[in-house]
Amino acid sequence: SQTIHQWPATLVQPVGSPLSLECTVEGTSNPNLYWYRQAAGRGLQLLFYSVGIGQISSEVPQNLSASRPQDRQFILSSKKLLLSDSGFYLCAWSVWTGGSNYGYTFGSGTRLTVV
Amino acid sequence: SQKIEQNSEALNIQEGKTATLTCNYTNYSPAYLQWYRQDPGRGPVFLLLIRENEKEKRKERLKVTFDTTLKQSLFHITASQPADSATYLCALSNTGKLIFGQGTTLQVKP
Repeated sequence: SQTIHQWPATLVQPVGSPLSLECTVEGTSNPNLYWYRQAAGRGLQLLFYSVGIGQISSEVPQNLSASRPQDRQFILSSKKLLLSDSGFYLCAWSVWTGGSNYGYTFGSGTRLTVV
Repeated sequence: SQKIEQNSEALNIQEGKTATLTCNYTNYSPAYLQWYRQDPGRGPVFLLLIRENEKEKRKERLKVTFDTTLKQSLFHITASQPADSATYLCALSNTGKLIFGQGTTLQVKP
């Protein structure tokens, strides 16, 4: 069965420090991978998505970057965190087969607090 | 720009009643519309997907309608239970990107 792992669950980082969040998927090949951020009481904002190794699309200009070094690994990074980077970060995967999609599967999320 | 609107006010209903949540969108022609459930501190969980050429989709106590003329989807939970209390998110997709509404919180009282 397909599973998605995301860690850490919570993170407190000082302003100006670097960030690395990792997401891995098991049980599927060539998934589309996504990073979303959810601010407190708000909806999900799409940050990055990837349709293959090394292929990253950025949705919102910001202080963050993403990489996909392996088919089932997606990494969210920052060189210097800002207070506004605080939020709930979610990784997700989906598969498009024959032009059809069957829903997204989300990880359990990382609660990032920048202090 | 694309906009998805869900009622930001919480919906409070009595157990056993039918809950109806609304999702409206503008400046978009989605191929798919999806509904997710999100509990506090957790990632969203996929519930139902409906395609642009489908009018209605059912799954157990859940029913989704999709009106591409009105640019609206309705999400129904029949015989609601306190365990159905959560935030429900509407999401639209076309070419692989899923765009979410802000969600509506449902509270089912016993």
